[in-house]
Amino acid sequence: KAGVTQTPRYLIKTRGQQVTLSCSPISGHRSVSWYQQTPGQGLQFLFEYFSETQRNKGNFPGRFSGRQFSNSRSEMNVSTLELGDSALYLCASSLEYEGQGARRNEQFFGPGTRLTVL
Amino acid sequence: KNQVEQSPQSLIILEGKNCTLQCNYTVSPFSNLRWYKQDTGRGPVSLTIMTFSENTKSNGRYTATLDADTKQSSLHITASQLSDSASYICVVSEGYGGATNKLIFGTGTLLAVQP
Repeated sequence: KAGVTQTPRYLIKTRGQQVTLSCSPISGHRSVSWYQQTPGQGLQFLFEYFSETQRNKGNFPGRFSGRQFSNSRSEMNVSTLELGDSALYLCASSLEYEGQGARRNEQFFGPGTRLTVL
Repeated sequence: KNQVEQSPQSLIILEGKNCTLQCNYTVSPFSNLRWYKQDTGRGPVSLTIMTFSENTKSNGRYTATLDADTKQSSLHITASQLSDSASYICVVSEGYGGATNKLIFGTGTLLAVQP
């Protein structure tokens, strides 16, 4: 099976612009989560989509939004970019299964999109 | 406040040596704990995932332990290799074991294995 793919891998934008990032989950995975990773803050949860619906949301401003399509592919959009939005944006798809009496959602991460805002 | 703290922040060891990374958490309710390995410029890769009833889980040269009473976990790496150089991230899932719970991430331990 192919892994999680993200496009583009690298992106350079200027302040005030908007950007759309794309994520294709592993085939059969219906959950897609987005994370922002910066050197100072580590990994921070943005939001999670399941069956085209936002199921969970982190503490990010409304400039960050996302959506999921019927084929489980997901996009993330950031409007009015700020310098502080420069980060590695990671997407993870989740396989939800029962194992040893507990329900788990093991996440598989993509390679990320490196966004630089100038 | 739910938090995950990792120590040390960074670690340098010689190839072939063992090392142990620590993770303390104050997440409640606790669902499960995961360890990820992240190579520079790449997405994290899952090493182990443990629920509260599991004390230890191995994945090759990686062995994770969990003490749900003291809310501590450790990741032990045996006979380190140069390819073990990476950031190791501890992640605790908050919730009641449902399909999707809030994930609390540690800031990671940066491990450098030197020849």
